[in-house]
Amino acid sequence: DSGVTQTPKHLITATGQRVTLRCSPRSGDLSVYWYQQSLDQGLQFLIQYYNGEERAKGNILERFSAQQFPDLHSELNLSSLELGDSALYFCASSVAVAETQYFGPGTRLLVL
Amino acid sequence: AQKVTQAQTEISVVEKEDVTLDCVYETRDTTYYLFWYKQPPSGELVFLIRRNSFDEQNEISGRYSWNFQKSTSSFNFTITASQVVDSAVYFCALSDPNYGGSQGNLIFGKGTKLSVKP
Repeated sequence: DSGVTQTPKHLITATGQRVTLRCSPRSGDLSVYWYQQSLDQGLQFLIQYYNGEERAKGNILERFSAQQFPDLHSELNLSSLELGDSALYFCASSVAVAETQYFGPGTRLLVL
Repeated sequence: AQKVTQAQTEISVVEKEDVTLDCVYETRDTTYYLFWYKQPPSGELVFLIRRNSFDEQNEISGRYSWNFQKSTSSFNFTITASQVVDSAVYFCALSDPNYGGSQGNLIFGKGTKLSVKP
């Protein structure tokens, strides 16, 4: 158990819908990262927050957004969902930038 | 550009065989970090090791060992006396905090699927 929690574990929804994925980092970790794992793209970095502020963006679509709250948990919002958004979404946390990232169990999203 | 290449897509071995997973990386910076993660069939990503670019010492942890060679930009992972429980997808990753707007995010290779048969 990495200490990073993610909810829900599984999510099935329809195209055009909006979903929210939630992540709680390990105790003491200030940095939260979101990654997407799909069969065709592999593991890709989406976005990073540090102590409530956005720090870096990767290949994140404009339909996706995220935030980190004062209690350091983070949410990833996916809207206008398309079939191609079906993937495993991971959250990771680290105590600081460039330190080891520990991953949550992931949220498996299926868009029908 | 930064890139991680894991040329071996799938490897199949018989239990107790030794196996080496290859990882080649590209970066122009002198300070960077390399990682290996394991993804078992259950799907979670498990951290195995982190090395910084200034530490080329090989590392051994039980049946696992890592060979870091800056001259060939490689960070290979060897499992000695493999076991069925080692069956998983293994990812090599690079973190370069000085690159562009990076804040230490991980760049992953495509992964190597290791199957260990009894």
